[in-house]
Amino acid sequence: DAGVTQSPTHLIKTRGQHVTLRCSPISGHKSVSWYQQVLGQGPQFIFQYYEKEERGRGNFPDRFSARQFPNYSSELNVNALLLGDSALYLCASSAGLADLGTGELFFGEGSRLTVL
Amino acid sequence: AQSVTQLGSHVSVSEGALVLLRCNYSSSVPPYLFWYVQYPNQGLQLLLKYTTGATLVKGINGFEAEFKKSETSFHLTKPSAHMSDAAEYFCAVSDLQFYFGTGTSLTVIP
Repeated sequence: DAGVTQSPTHLIKTRGQHVTLRCSPISGHKSVSWYQQVLGQGPQFIFQYYEKEERGRGNFPDRFSARQFPNYSSELNVNALLLGDSALYLCASSAGLADLGTGELFFGEGSRLTVL
Repeated sequence: AQSVTQLGSHVSVSEGALVLLRCNYSSSVPPYLFWYVQYPNQGLQLLLKYTTGATLVKGINGFEAEFKKSETSFHLTKPSAHMSDAAEYFCAVSDLQFYFGTGTSLTVIP
């Protein structure tokens, strides 16, 4: 069975540009969460979606946005990139609403974004 | 607000020695606690979790952790370290969203 897949795996952008990161959850999973992991730090929560609705938002500026599609895949968009947005962006899926918080998160390998 | 503190950003142990990675949490409600492991250039993988019930939780690869409410701790242990255990370990607490600690890098010395 395929795990959580993320694309692209690596990308380089310049300040002010826009980036879109994509995530496909494990088949059957209806919840997707996004995390930012800056080098040397733990993952920081950005967004959580369940059944195409936003269920949670972390302390990130409005430059960050996301959405979930009918097939439960998800996109994370970041506008007006700053140097500080350089990080590993992790997507995680879980089976359902009951799993949010109590169940296991299944992580993809991440998209490493470098902003120059 | 939920939070976790991992004591020691780097831990080194000899192969075969005891592994002890420390985690203390802050939670306003009974916590759900997790340990995740991250190998280089990979995502996070669940080692073990505590939700309810037995306070000593066994996970994969011989790891276990004990939930101690009085100490607000959830330390991770393994009796005998193996070279393959070298990785970054993250403690997390959740209340619908996950709050991760800053991580502990484990080095295993042959």
